[in-house]
Amino acid sequence: EAGVVQSPRYKIIEKKQPVAFWCNPISGHNTLYWYRQNLGQGPELLIRYENEEAVDDSQLPKDRFSAERLKGVDSTLKIQPAELGDSAVYLCASSSGPEDNEQFFGPGTRLTVL
Amino acid sequence: AQSVTQLGSHVSVSEGALVLLRCNYSSSVPPYLFWYVQYPNQGLQLLLKYTSAATLVKGINGFEAEFKKSETSFHLTKPSAHMSDAAEYFCAVRENTGFQKLVFGTGTRLLVSP
Repeated sequence: EAGVVQSPRYKIIEKKQPVAFWCNPISGHNTLYWYRQNLGQGPELLIRYENEEAVDDSQLPKDRFSAERLKGVDSTLKIQPAELGDSAVYLCASSSGPEDNEQFFGPGTRLTVL
Repeated sequence: AQSVTQLGSHVSVSEGALVLLRCNYSSSVPPYLFWYVQYPNQGLQLLLKYTSAATLVKGINGFEAEFKKSETSFHLTKPSAHMSDAAEYFCAVRENTGFQKLVFGTGTRLLVSP
């Protein structure tokens, strides 16, 4: 069974440039999460989707971050414009439902903003 | 809000020695607790979880953790460390109100020497 797929694995951009991350969850998983993991820290939830609906985006900096999951499967997280402080690893995770206690994580996208 | 505290950002052990990684939680109600492991450049993998059943939880790779309500602790142990156990370990609590999101600790890096 394929796990959570993320691309790209690494991205280096200059500040003020846009960037996008893509996530394909495990087949059949309706719940999708985006986390940000700063260096030396644990992951912090940015947004959670139940199918196409964003049910928790309270931690998403909405002035520059956006996300979508149009067909309830793949998801894209965008930053525009990127700032130096956005350098981090962006992790995608999925689970079979909101009550499922196991989230499966992808390998992440390491973003470096210069 | 619920939170977890991991004591010690780094723990060093010799191969074959006992592994003990500490986690304390804050919660006014019985929490759901998790331990995840993260190998370099990879996503997080669930080691074990406590969901209000048995207080001693056994996980993968020989790890186990004991939920102690009186001490608000959920420490992770393994009787004999292997070189392959070297990784970052995260304790997490699932909020039992609102959106029930996972809240992670800051992580403990386990170093295993020959």
